[in-house]
Amino acid sequence: QVQLQESGPGLVKPSETLSLTCSVSGYFIGSGYFWGWIRQPPGKGLEWIGCIYHGGNTYYNPSLRSRVTLSLDTSKNQIFLTLRSVTAADTAVYYCARDSGSWLNPIDYWGQGSLVTVSS
Amino acid sequence: QSALTQPASVSGSPGQSITISCTGTSSDVGDYKFISWYQQRPGNAPKLMIYEGTKRPSEISHRFSGSKSGNTASLTISGLQAEDEADYYCCSYGTIVVFGGGTKLTVL
Repeated sequence: QVQLQESGPGLVKPSETLSLTCSVSGYFIGSGYFWGWIRQPPGKGLEWIGCIYHGGNTYYNPSLRSRVTLSLDTSKNQIFLTLRSVTAADTAVYYCARDSGSWLNPIDYWGQGSLVTVSS
Repeated sequence: QSALTQPASVSGSPGQSITISCTGTSSDVGDYKFISWYQQRPGNAPKLMIYEGTKRPSEISHRFSGSKSGNTASLTISGLQAEDEADYYCCSYGTIVVFGGGTKLTVL
């Protein structure tokens, strides 16, 4: 069974950088699939951030592309999210997930989510 | 790519059937089979209910079904149960992923 677990600071100051880690168990991310991030502001809907493949291919939400970087470490079976120059609008629960990308599979496995609040 | 359009809320009584619509354009929903549906209960991560428009993961009840007509995809829940009360999201997936705004289902 594939399991994902997000971790990182729960509070980030405006204009700073948000960094989250997703640890994957039950599947070696170097074997395939895209791995991505989705966020959900409190009381609002889901917003896709982007996804990455172990070969380095990445796809990003055009509205966030200029501030987002995704990376991964197959030796640790982890995926990383970096979001720069954050504002209060970036306050959300951040989910990591087994994503779609060019493999065209549905987003099927999700982490439990990590709440990040942007506030001074 | 614009968000997919869903009704904000739907409701039904136990035992009834309800349908949630998801409207896109000819370039996404209309010309594309990669549509999925998610159920999200409060405090939980979304759960995959339907993929490729009509397919159901093995663990999902047959009461849930998906369909498509033109630029509109639909999720139908038959034999409504109290446990079905949740938010439901449609999703167009691939190299770019777009979610609908979500629909709150209330079981009366």
